[in-house]
Amino acid sequence: QVQLVQSGAEVKKPGASVRLSCKASGYTFITYKMHWVRQAPGQGLEWMGIIDPSGGITAYARKFQGRVTMTRDTSTSTVYMELNSLRSEDTAVYYCGRDSLDDGDYGDYWGQGTLVTVSS
Amino acid sequence: DIVMTQSPDSLAVSLGERATINCKSSQSVLYNSNNKNYLAWYQQKPGQPPKLLIYWASTRESGVPDRFSGSGSGTDFTLTISSLQAEDVAVYYCQQYYATPYTFGQGTKLEI
Repeated sequence: QVQLVQSGAEVKKPGASVRLSCKASGYTFITYKMHWVRQAPGQGLEWMGIIDPSGGITAYARKFQGRVTMTRDTSTSTVYMELNSLRSEDTAVYYCGRDSLDDGDYGDYWGQGTLVTVSS
Repeated sequence: DIVMTQSPDSLAVSLGERATINCKSSQSVLYNSNNKNYLAWYQQKPGQPPKLLIYWASTRESGVPDRFSGSGSGTDFTLTISSLQAEDVAVYYCQQYYATPYTFGQGTKLEI
């Protein structure tokens, strides 16, 4: 069965960077793109970007461009999301979500989420 | 960016009654070449990731109960739960995947 297992919670200071991982199993990794979405405490969902694991091509929301980098390791079926210059507003749960194989970019399976806390 | 606006922000419905959640996009998410609406609905329960319910505005994801249905086209969409069950208490989000960034609505909290 499809599983997306994300790395554990992180606590970072303002200005630092964080690198989250999302390990996929139960399907052919390079066939499906992967989304990253975040959710601040008590808030809604915010789309950050998407990566195509087959070639590493990415598309980021303009809000995060310059601060976010999404990469993948096909040997371990893992995607990574690095966010730099962290600020308190980046405190959130970060989710990876597998893109559908359909013609549209919606997420059909989601990881359990990783809480990132940014605090001095 | 396409702005997605849901209404209402919260909704209380009795068990067995119908629940209706609306979603409006700031521009059309209907792609004329294939006549598909690039709109999905998700359910999120506390402490859980989102769960896909509906895609292409009206196609139910496998395993989703048939009391959930989606409708609408262009800029106006609706998620309907025909007979509310206790396990449907959650926050519901619409999302457009017509153009990046793939924006979500602010969410609608459904209570009993």
